[in-house]
Amino acid sequence: GEDVEQSLFLSVREGDSSVINCTYTDSSSTYLYWYKQEPGAGLQLLTYIFSNMDMKQDQRLTVLLNKKDKHLSLRIADTQTGDSAIYFCAEEGSSASKIIFGSGTRLSIRP
Amino acid sequence: DAGVIQSPRHEVTEMGQEVTLRCKPISGHDYLFWYRQTMMRGLELLIYFNNNVPIDDSGMPEDRFSAKMPNASFSTLKIQPSEPRDSAVYFCASRQGNEQFFGPGTRLTVL
Repeated sequence: GEDVEQSLFLSVREGDSSVINCTYTDSSSTYLYWYKQEPGAGLQLLTYIFSNMDMKQDQRLTVLLNKKDKHLSLRIADTQTGDSAIYFCAEEGSSASKIIFGSGTRLSIRP
Repeated sequence: DAGVIQSPRHEVTEMGQEVTLRCKPISGHDYLFWYRQTMMRGLELLIYFNNNVPIDDSGMPEDRFSAKMPNASFSTLKIQPSEPRDSAVYFCASRQGNEQFFGPGTRLTVL
């Protein structure tokens, strides 16, 4: 079935790079997503990558996709305190009408 | 566009009472989703609609839960009767193409 796995916690020092990893199961997914959820707020679409791409960069964010291993990562350069949040990896389901979310990775920033 | 609008933002009710959550999707979006988020179970998809028609309600936990979408600009999620274990944050999201956007959520507390 469709499943998205990611680690629950990540702690990084302010100014370092954060790398959040995710694995998914549906090789037919056309799009893969990263969402950010700040405390008390809804999920915010951060970025997404089309499945025929290996990499997408958007300012401090870099998404890497390894289709062979079904592995997706999100790199945040120069991590700031404002980046503290839960980051959800998601894949477009096989029906292409719903998105399957992982359990989220809580990113905490230490000084 | 104001984004996905949900009301109320907070709801506190007593066990046995009826609860109605409301959602206004982004204009022009043809998919609408209802999710529930708890610490224990994470983000769960309850039901989704396409062009106002329910497509998949397999995530609705019990018959106490029902959802309607009478027109393209409004949906409700109703719980009757409510129970303490229904306490959660309920999110509505709408989607057009490959981009899905979430509302701010309704935090429901059932005493």
